Amino acid sequence: DGGITQSPKYLFRKEGQNVTLSCEQNLNHDAMYWYRQDPGQGLRLIYYSQIVNDFQKGDIAEGYSVSREKKESFPLTVTSAQKNPTAFYLCASSNVRARGLDSNQPQHFGDGTRLSIL
Amino acid sequence: AQSVTQPDIHITVSEGASLELRCNYSYGATPYLFWYVQSPGQGLQLLLKYFSGDTLVQGIKGFEAEFKRSQSSFNLRKPSVHWSDAAEYFCAVGPYFSGGYNKLIFGAGTRLAVHP
Repeated sequence: DGGITQSPKYLFRKEGQNVTLSCEQNLNHDAMYWYRQDPGQGLRLIYYSQIVNDFQKGDIAEGYSVSREKKESFPLTVTSAQKNPTAFYLCASSNVRARGLDSNQPQHFGDGTRLSIL
Repeated sequence: AQSVTQPDIHITVSEGASLELRCNYSYGATPYLFWYVQSPGQGLQLLLKYFSGDTLVQGIKGFEAEFKRSQSSFNLRKPSVHWSDAAEYFCAVGPYFSGGYNKLIFGAGTRLAVHP
């Protein structure tokens, strides 16, 4: 079955450490997204990518970095510059269609990674 | 400014009772509207979407939503709630014409509890 796989499910970060969250999709979607979820705040966009080797900052990109070397993979690195990394991180993907009717396609989500500080 | 408001942070209903979750949006362009559900520790699952046509849309798990342009609302309803519906529900709005990247704006969510 097609879907989005995020790993690990739980991750702990030490002070000053960078950690990388994995996101893999086999839906053949062009666009991929990373969100951060905090209680009572809904989802906030960190980074997004419409195509391989291209990505754009979202609303809260500071302290995070991404790469998109393959269509199916969009890893997120939480750097030591992110002072409050404890959150639930969600990866999503969507199909991309030409501008026109029904061009906005729903996003499909992975099961998330919960990141905590040691 | 573009925004989505879900006025109810928590809602508790009895099993078998009807449910309505409210969603109001502020969006300059023609909106594309979604409802997602999230079980604890899980990702988001799409319940239904609306972009044009009949303003009453049917989704999975017996849910439906009604788009009311005059009220900028997209409320989610279910005639009879099951205990398994206990979860967090998110309303989201995006552009109708995206040309690629479809940035969604999410509401803060409504947590639903179901009493037996």
